[in-house]
Amino acid sequence: EDQVTQSPEALRLQEGESSSLNCSYTVSGLRGLFWYRQDPGKGPEFLFTLYSAGEEKEKERLKATLTKKESFLHITAPKPEDSATYLCAVQARSGGSNYKLTFGKGTLLTVNP
Amino acid sequence: DTGVSQDPRHKITKRGQNVTFRCDPISEHNRLYWYRQTLGQGPEFLTYFQNEAQLEKSRLLSDRFSAERPKGSFSTLEIQRTEQGDSAMYLCASGGGQGTGELFFGEGSRLTVL
Repeated sequence: EDQVTQSPEALRLQEGESSSLNCSYTVSGLRGLFWYRQDPGKGPEFLFTLYSAGEEKEKERLKATLTKKESFLHITAPKPEDSATYLCAVQARSGGSNYKLTFGKGTLLTVNP
Repeated sequence: DTGVSQDPRHKITKRGQNVTFRCDPISEHNRLYWYRQTLGQGPEFLTYFQNEAQLEKSRLLSDRFSAERPKGSFSTLEIQRTEQGDSAMYLCASGGGQGTGELFFGEGSRLTVL
């Protein structure tokens, strides 16, 4: 069974204090690893897809990286508006045409001004 | 706005009542998913449609839950004889053509069962 574990569960940063979120995964053949951002009371918002070890993607202050066992979401010089829950999810090759995602519990990031 | 719309956004009901949620996916997407999310947890997969065919259902989807996607367009998720444990956010997501793994989520329908 596919599993995703995210750490830490919660992270509090000062504005401008860079850090990383971790996502470790177990999957029967990785098709893709996804990062989403979720604001309170809203649906997840797509950020990145990573397909193979060594791949990196960047968007504004966020950079996602992937190894064979884990992914990191690096946040550089965060701002208060980056506060949200960040969700990691995997998609297995064994799913056939079903591209369903298996999610972790998320990391709640709070950035204080 | 991802282009996936869900209705209603909030529903409060009494235990034992039936509720129905509707999802309108991005029009060109042939894949549609329902997920459930409780406080402090990530979304959990419930069911998957490719066009109008329901191809996979999670063990989480008890007999009280039924989903449809007539004509491969919008979808409905019905919960019969609601229980307090059904209280959650019900999320709909849609996805595009072959090889495109990204799923786009709606804002969700929050269910509270009293």
